[in-house]
Amino acid sequence: SYVLTQPPSVSVAPGQTARITCGGNNIGSKSVHWYQQKPGQAPVLVVYDDSDRPSGIPERFSGSNSGNTATLTISRVEAGDEADYYCQVWDSSSDHPFVFGTGTKVTVL
Amino acid sequence: QITLKESGPTLVKPTQTLTLTCTFSGFSLSTSGVGVGWIRQPPGKALEWLALIYWNDDKRYSPSLKSRLTITKDTSKNQVVLTMTNMDPVDTATYYCARGVAAKLFDYWGQGTLVTVSS
Repeated sequence: SYVLTQPPSVSVAPGQTARITCGGNNIGSKSVHWYQQKPGQAPVLVVYDDSDRPSGIPERFSGSNSGNTATLTISRVEAGDEADYYCQVWDSSSDHPFVFGTGTKVTVL
Repeated sequence: QITLKESGPTLVKPTQTLTLTCTFSGFSLSTSGVGVGWIRQPPGKALEWLALIYWNDDKRYSPSLKSRLTITKDTSKNQVVLTMTNMDPVDTATYYCARGVAAKLFDYWGQGTLVTVSS
């Protein structure tokens, strides 16, 4: 089945920019969705269809997708952004259509 | 307001069958394009998709667990039920249900329920 690879951890100082990558074979041809999960809480959708934001999600969260890498960018990072982030794709041609990435822990220094 | 809530046992013994119920409100599972899925997360590990049932009763399962899973819906009760047979300690995880939209992503999630498999 399709594999999505993320870096285990990313560290960023407050006010700086965090970039979280999600690697997959020709991922640029798929729609990528991103979830934020804070400790002890359920995941929350923060970006869908590569770069769209659900209502209520700050503009500081943005996404891009091309080639073999999708990226979630968090601008002007705040302490409250510290969480695990997961990418996800839907592979309509696969018998395993919903695939999550390995997850990235974002630490705000 | 859309909400989902998982219910079921918190402790099951090895080889037993787990039955989890997702009770939701704020949307209908008879609406085209809508589904309800189950995702689990072992302690300290990543999310793993298990199954999803669509508005038209189409069902999809994780290939690695397909032989052990059954997903059903009761549209009139706004419930989706997942059964997993032959439980093992490695199945210890928090189990989430979530609304699937456009057949491809999960926009609302339940709070999750921790299921421990132990004798």
